[in-house]
Amino acid sequence: SQKIEQNSEALNIQEGKTATLTCNYTNYSPAYLQWYRQDPGRGPVFLLLIRENEKEKRKERLKVTFDTTLKQSLFHITASQPADSATYLCALGDDKIIFGKGTRLHILP
Amino acid sequence: EAQVTQNPRYLITVTGKKLTVTCSQNMNHEYMSWYRQDPGLGLRQIYYSMNVEVTDKGDVPEGYKVSRKEKRNFPLILESPSPNQTSLYFCASSLMATGGGYYGYTFGSGTRLTVV
Repeated sequence: SQKIEQNSEALNIQEGKTATLTCNYTNYSPAYLQWYRQDPGRGPVFLLLIRENEKEKRKERLKVTFDTTLKQSLFHITASQPADSATYLCALGDDKIIFGKGTRLHILP
Repeated sequence: EAQVTQNPRYLITVTGKKLTVTCSQNMNHEYMSWYRQDPGLGLRQIYYSMNVEVTDKGDVPEGYKVSRKEKRNFPLILESPSPNQTSLYFCASSLMATGGGYYGYTFGSGTRLTVV
């Protein structure tokens, strides 16, 4: 069955550094992949979508890469700030969209 | 303001008492979906709908019903709730892209359901 794996351990990054989160998937060839941010008790917020024919996408301090050969997406936050602390989710699918369990990111002042 | 509105935000109910969680979006999105989120299990899709009168099962549809009679509304119905349906529920909607595919989801604020 389709599976998405995100690092379940929390990631601690010093303020100002680049945070890199990983999303790996198996048994699937998605047409696109999405990244979301979720704060405790709140709904996820959409950040970026990247299509299978795109290698990289950027939005302000955010960058996403999508390697369909490795079946992996990397999510980067440059010049990280304490306000970036949250859980980040990747999601993939077409009609039926599945989410990874997320990686908690802590930006340390 | 473009949004997905869920009601109620919090609900405590008893086993077997039918309930409906409402979801409404004001963005004219074709695609709507329900998820439940549980610790350690993440977000799991219950049902989704690609347009009016078109619904399909997600990964965990047992014990739930949905309907899509109007484009803006997608209620989640629990005919006979059980304690294992205690969870945080999210409704989400998305615009469908021309030629296929979707844009990102807009999520509601969530409904925390407790079944005792």
